[in-house]
Amino acid sequence: DQQVKQNSPSLSVQEGRISILNCDYTNSMFDYFLWYKKYPAEGPTFLISISSIKDKNEDGRFTVFLNKSAKHLSLHIVPSQPGDSAVYFCAASSNAGGTSYGKLTFGQGTILTVHP
Amino acid sequence: ETGVTQSPTHLIKTRGQQVTLRCSSQSGHNTVSWYQQALGQGPQFIFQYYREEENGRGNFPPRFSGLQFPNYSSELNVNALELDDSALYLCASSFGGRALNTEAFFGQGTRLTVV
Repeated sequence: DQQVKQNSPSLSVQEGRISILNCDYTNSMFDYFLWYKKYPAEGPTFLISISSIKDKNEDGRFTVFLNKSAKHLSLHIVPSQPGDSAVYFCAASSNAGGTSYGKLTFGQGTILTVHP
Repeated sequence: ETGVTQSPTHLIKTRGQQVTLRCSSQSGHNTVSWYQQALGQGPQFIFQYYREEENGRGNFPPRFSGLQFPNYSSELNVNALELDDSALYLCASSFGGRALNTEAFFGQGTRLTVV
């Protein structure tokens, strides 16, 4: 039961162009979404998050869009840089009923390669 | 501000053995979560500890157990190791326990290989 899906295993982008990473979810109880970046031999690093009460959150070159009706979120990186090359994970959590313990449900990850 | 540290970084064990992995949480954090990341997959939630008590558990058998200490550091114990337990084990610390909506900060992971 894959509640969070990243259907593109990999994405290749030219430096300076936009990178768009997509994520779909099935659990309508999810109300908080996060993106993490992971380099080899390191743990995931938090990038940006969005609450379900918003549809957009921006932080520098990174913007996350949330479409609740479609149960879809995306991460835009503009402009892309070679140092952005990494595995990107989307994750979701739920505080429904006040019983959430902060469990994160992750997608499978997308390998982003930014070419100089 | 110290980050999340895990030990050891790599470990090789034989099937049937027991293993203990350790995690020191980030300064100021009182919640520790453990995740298993198999090759090519995203991290899967094992369990979380908040104020020294288990605060939620994923779909893992009882041979996966844990502890949290008064200083909020944590251990993950796995008994009767199986080949499928080979994975990267990630520890994440955060603040807030049940009210969590803050970002979890991950350690670098422990790579466990079961042969």
